[in-house]
Amino acid sequence: EPEVTQTPSHQVTQMGQEVILRCVPISNHLYFYWYRQILGQKVEFLVSFYNNEISEKSEIFDDQFSVERPDGSNFTLKIRSTKLEDSAMYFCASRRLGTGNIEKLFFGSGTQLSVL
Amino acid sequence: SQKIEQNSEALNIQEGKTATLTCNYTNYSPAYLQWYRQDPGRGPVFLLLIRENEKEKRKERLKVTFDTTLKQSLFHITASQPADSATYLCALVTNAGKSTFGDGTTLTVKP
Repeated sequence: EPEVTQTPSHQVTQMGQEVILRCVPISNHLYFYWYRQILGQKVEFLVSFYNNEISEKSEIFDDQFSVERPDGSNFTLKIRSTKLEDSAMYFCASRRLGTGNIEKLFFGSGTQLSVL
Repeated sequence: SQKIEQNSEALNIQEGKTATLTCNYTNYSPAYLQWYRQDPGRGPVFLLLIRENEKEKRKERLKVTFDTTLKQSLFHITASQPADSATYLCALVTNAGKSTFGDGTTLTVKP
């Protein structure tokens, strides 16, 4: 089965530094998502992306966060100035179809971000 | 405010028994409901999807029901095995495709 690939698997950074988390969604998928999961807590929606623009974002996704699809394959999440509370597992997900034709989300294995 | 509750944080059962997990929601009108499995340190893996006009869905040893009047879904694993031990997440999905997850129930199947 095709897979969503995320790199790196683990990222350690100092508070205030910028990080970029990378994802390669499944090739024929059109909808892309970032979720995060703080240790012991639920999987939380951050942002959805379609047709090269954000389609929805949560209140967590503030001005410190941005997403980009710089080429035909990569999908990135940037955190400009990391805070301690940004420490979490970040999951990328993709879906082939969207509105009116819901299918399953395919999740990557995640990037564990540790902010020190 | 919208709320998704999964019945318990942890469920322990004996191998061979049926595990039943509950997902309740309030202030929400999902178009779909999904169940995912999550193993430690891994991303969620899709198991089943049920639409608002469907009452029941089955896949091998898995069965999901969806009652939009009670605002509840039940997830059953029959003939459970130790390999079924994992955290199971329910997710409510809007027509726009956004999935909102519950806290999850950690199932342990003892041999």
